[in-house]
Amino acid sequence: GDSVTQMEGPVTLSEEAFLTINCTYTATGYPSLFWYVQYPGEGLQLLLKATKADDKGSNKGFEATYRKETTSFHLEKGSVQVSDSAVYFCALAPRAAGNKLTFGGGTRVLVKP
Amino acid sequence: DTAVSQTPKYLVTQMGNDKSIKCEQNLGHDTMYWYKQDSKKFLKIMFSYNNKELIINETVPNRFSPKSPDKAHLNLHINSLELGDSAVYFCASSQAQGGEQYFGPGTRLTVT
Repeated sequence: GDSVTQMEGPVTLSEEAFLTINCTYTATGYPSLFWYVQYPGEGLQLLLKATKADDKGSNKGFEATYRKETTSFHLEKGSVQVSDSAVYFCALAPRAAGNKLTFGGGTRVLVKP
Repeated sequence: DTAVSQTPKYLVTQMGNDKSIKCEQNLGHDTMYWYKQDSKKFLKIMFSYNNKELIINETVPNRFSPKSPDKAHLNLHINSLELGDSAVYFCASSQAQGGEQYFGPGTRLTVT
């Protein structure tokens, strides 16, 4: 079945540091890929998405590129802020009907001033 | 103008009780979902409804029964609550063929 693997946290960084969170997936066909963010005490928010190979999703300074050849969708941000402290989830959705999201285990990021 | 709302936000109850969680979306979406997030933040889909019809049921115990009175609402009823049901439950919605899901704020259920 479909699966998503992302690096375990917590990831602790200083402000203005570079952030990378690795995500790889296993799926049949060509799924859509997503990054969701969960701030403390809140629900999940879509951060960015990509629907086909070589697409780059970007939002709020975060970027991720859909790499079919390596089945990866790594999340990056060049300069993090304290407000970026959250749990980040990589997810995929197959193109078949049902639109079921499969999530990775989540990566907690803590940015210190 | 909350897009996906859930009630209650917190629910503390004893083992063996029956409880319900309500979800409403005002986005006009056709598909709604329930997810369970455990203490380690792992998220797993439980159910999905499309236009009031069940389309995904992920081997959830039959103590859990979703009900969709209309396509804007998806409620979750849980019978005979167990300690292991303690978790945060998230409702979400999406367009039927789209990939983007909008999540509610979550309901933290604690079973004592």
